[in-house]
Amino acid sequence: DAKTTQPPSMDCAEGRAANLPCNHSTISGNEYVYWYRQIHSQGPQYIIHGLKNNETNEMASLIITEDRKSSTLILPHATLRDTAVYYCIVRTSNTGNQFYFGTGTSLTVIP
Amino acid sequence: ETGVTQTPRHLVMGMTNKKSLKCEQHLGHNAMYWYKQSAKKPLELMFVYSLEERVENNSVPSRFSPECPNSSHLFLHLHTLQPEDSALYLCASSQESRGQFEQYFGPGTRLTVT
Repeated sequence: DAKTTQPPSMDCAEGRAANLPCNHSTISGNEYVYWYRQIHSQGPQYIIHGLKNNETNEMASLIITEDRKSSTLILPHATLRDTAVYYCIVRTSNTGNQFYFGTGTSLTVIP
Repeated sequence: ETGVTQTPRHLVMGMTNKKSLKCEQHLGHNAMYWYKQSAKKPLELMFVYSLEERVENNSVPSRFSPECPNSSHLFLHLHTLQPEDSALYLCASSQESRGQFEQYFGPGTRLTVT
C-alpha cells in the first residue's frame, strides 16, 4: 500500500471549515483513499473514501487532486466534538482487507 | 453505536492470569479484525479473519490466541501476558467485497497487565 504523509497537528476555530491535507505521491491507479478519525480512547470511525472523484457525505467532503497524489478532507463546520486524530489511508482491493494506520493528524477545534 | 460491541471495556490482569476478550458484530459482515493500540503509537493490526478463517497473523506472540467460532463473534484469548502488553485492544468488522469496503470498530478493551 502507498505511504501517506499528514501534518502531525492542526487547530481550527469552531464553526469554521477544517481542511486536513494528506500526501500520497506513490498512490497507484487502483488504490482508494480512506479517512478515519479516532476520538480519544475510542475506536476509529470511518468518515469517507474515494478513488478519483470528489466525494461528499453527511460528515465530510473529500477532495482528490487530478493526479491523485494528494487529497484534502474537509469538515465544513467544525465543532468541538470533531477534535480527534484523523487518519488518511490508501489501500487496494487486492492486497487483502487490511488497513495500516499511521500517526495521523491531531485536530483540535478551538472554541 | 457502530454495531460492533466489545467486552469487557476494562480489564486488569496479572501476568499469570488467563482471560479472554470478546467481540460481537451485528452488521452481517464476513471479516473481523483485532488491533492493538499502545500509548502514543499507531494502531497495529494483529489478526484478520475472513469467512471465519484466519488470513493474517502479523507476528503476534503466541500468548495472544484468537478464535472466530462464527462470522459474528471473535475472541482474543490471553495468557501469561507481560506489562508491555497493556494497551487498548480494538475489534473491527467489514464486509469483504470487490473494490471498496470500510471497517467498523468497536469501543475497545482497555487492558492493564500488572
